[in-house]
Amino acid sequence: EPEVTQTPSHQVTQMGQEVILRCVPISNHLYFYWYRQILGQKVEFLVSFYNNEISEKSEIFDDQFSVERPDGSNFTLKIRSTKLEDSAMYFCASSFGQGRSGNTIYFGEGSWLTVV
Amino acid sequence: GENVEQHPSTLSVQEGDSAVIKCTYSDSASNYFPWYKQELGKRPQLIIDIRSNVGEKKDQRIAVTLNKTAKHFSLHITETQPEDSAVYFCAASGGGADGLTFGKGTHLIIQP
Repeated sequence: EPEVTQTPSHQVTQMGQEVILRCVPISNHLYFYWYRQILGQKVEFLVSFYNNEISEKSEIFDDQFSVERPDGSNFTLKIRSTKLEDSAMYFCASSFGQGRSGNTIYFGEGSWLTVV
Repeated sequence: GENVEQHPSTLSVQEGDSAVIKCTYSDSASNYFPWYKQELGKRPQLIIDIRSNVGEKKDQRIAVTLNKTAKHFSLHITETQPEDSAVYFCAASGGGADGLTFGKGTHLIIQP
């Protein structure tokens, strides 16, 4: 069964550094997402991406964050000038059709980011 | 925006008994309600979902009900087994939003 894959699985970074989290969505999917889960809390939506542009973003997704699809397979989340409170599990997800239309969203295994 | 409330936060049941987790949502335009199971340190995995044109859906031991008028939906697990122990999240999406809004999760503990 096709899966969303993410790298790295765990990254430790110094406060103020930039981090890039990478994802390979399921190959025939058209909609891509990033979610965040702080330890012990709920999963929170960050951003959705379609047709090479952001289609929706939450209040969390401020100027510190950016997303990119640099080639035909990868989808990246960049976090500039990391803060301690950015420590969380970051999940990439993808769906074939639009999430708002009830298409199933599949999650990757997550990238655990620790900011020290 | 959408707000999803989920109860209880922790649920402990005897193996073989049923478990029920309830969620309410605020945006009447939401039309898609998935349930995810998350084991410790793992990804959320979709276990069942329901769309707003359906009132109930069942898949073996798992069922979901939806009451659009009251804006609540529930997950029912029957004949619970130890491997059902996990955190369960409800979510909602639709209307103008692509992103899923998740509830805070229910830690389901199956007592042997």
